[in-house]
Amino acid sequence: KNEVEQSPQNLTAQEGEFITINCSYSVGISALHWLQQHPGGGIVSLFMLSSGKKKHGRLIATINIQEKHSSLHITASHPRDSAVYICAGLKTSYDKVIFGPGTSLSVIP
Amino acid sequence: DAGVTQSPTHLIKTRGQQVTLRCSPKSGHDTVSWYQQALGQGPQFIFQYYEEEERQRGNFPDRFSGHQFPNYSSELNVNALLLGDSALYLCASRRSVGEQYFGPGTRLTVT
Repeated sequence: KNEVEQSPQNLTAQEGEFITINCSYSVGISALHWLQQHPGGGIVSLFMLSSGKKKHGRLIATINIQEKHSSLHITASHPRDSAVYICAGLKTSYDKVIFGPGTSLSVIP
Repeated sequence: DAGVTQSPTHLIKTRGQQVTLRCSPKSGHDTVSWYQQALGQGPQFIFQYYEEEERQRGNFPDRFSGHQFPNYSSELNVNALLLGDSALYLCASRRSVGEQYFGPGTRLTVT
């Protein structure tokens, strides 16, 4: 079992839809990064969460520590949101970042 | 603050050659990590530098080596390049404890 898992693997949405990407993680991970990577591009850090909820523009990230689950929400999705979204866990004891497999999002006009 | 910067952005080398990639961390960051991302794959951890020393290393051969300078900038060196070394090389920096910021990456193509 991977230490960080994501669902769905692929997601296609119509412009304007509300999008949710889920991430579950294992014991020992103390914080989560949500990252965005456009095709052929570098990685952009969207959020780092260890508790609660963060919001930036149309992006919202939540984390439930008891359930070891985090979600990334995109409101009013736009074609420019099309990218791979990666959930990455920070394993404090080993000071390592464990990457999830990524969710490939395509937003259609 | 320019954030994490990497150079060069693109690089083409031939098999057997050596390459050096450079990373400047975000201002105030002292820890630098390097990742290799093959096409269609997730990033794989290469190593991490802190206080000019390699603190952790992933499952990469000794052909991959690095260095961190007193100003916290870092280099990744790869010797005896193989075709399979073609990838996007990502640098990330953070403070001792904190959010990790990624650079734009260096796209290395080995022919």
